[in-house]
Amino acid sequence: DAGVTQTPRHEVAEKGQTIILKCEPVSGHNDLFWYRQTKIQGLELLSYFRSKSLMEDGGAFKDRFKAEMLNSSFSTLKIQPTEPKDSAVYLCASSASKNTLYFGAGTRLSVL
Amino acid sequence: EQQVQQSPASLVLQEAENAELQCSFSIFTNQVQWFYQRPGGRLVSLLYNPSGTKQSGRLTSTTVIKERRSSLHISSSQITDSGTYLCAMERGTNAYKVIFGKGTHLHVLP
Repeated sequence: DAGVTQTPRHEVAEKGQTIILKCEPVSGHNDLFWYRQTKIQGLELLSYFRSKSLMEDGGAFKDRFKAEMLNSSFSTLKIQPTEPKDSAVYLCASSASKNTLYFGAGTRLSVL
Repeated sequence: EQQVQQSPASLVLQEAENAELQCSFSIFTNQVQWFYQRPGGRLVSLLYNPSGTKQSGRLTSTTVIKERRSSLHISSSQITDSGTYLCAMERGTNAYKVIFGKGTHLHVLP
């Protein structure tokens, strides 16, 4: 049984670029989460989908961050335009509702 | 406002000692999970404990929802237990939105 798959594992972007991160949740899971992880802030929730519907758009993150779930087995997180402060590890997680979260290995983003 | 507070922020133990990690919430929740992360590694769920006491191997979690707190006890610590332990709660009434604390960094010495 495949876990959560995130690509790419590493991404380097110039300031102002648009980048798209990808996530494939565990098959059959209907909740999908995007988090940003930094040493200072810890894990911050960016977006949350239930059965492909956007339930949380991340509040302060929504101006440059846009998550989409095109189908139940694929989600993207677009950051446009990138800024150096966006450098972090971006994590995707999925769960069957009201159950344990399964995390991907993350995408490490560096914005120069 | 940090809705999930964890203590201590860091902890150093000698191998075989026990550890007690604490988590408290600023709002009521009915779902609590504990996670583990090795440096540079994937977050892994340890225990899903909405209330009461749950055990998995050397790990025991006790959640008291009315008091808005949960604890994780690690018995007979091993060097391989070193890493970050994160507590998470569900926030919201109709949606399962999971919010994390900043973690306890555990270092077990030989």
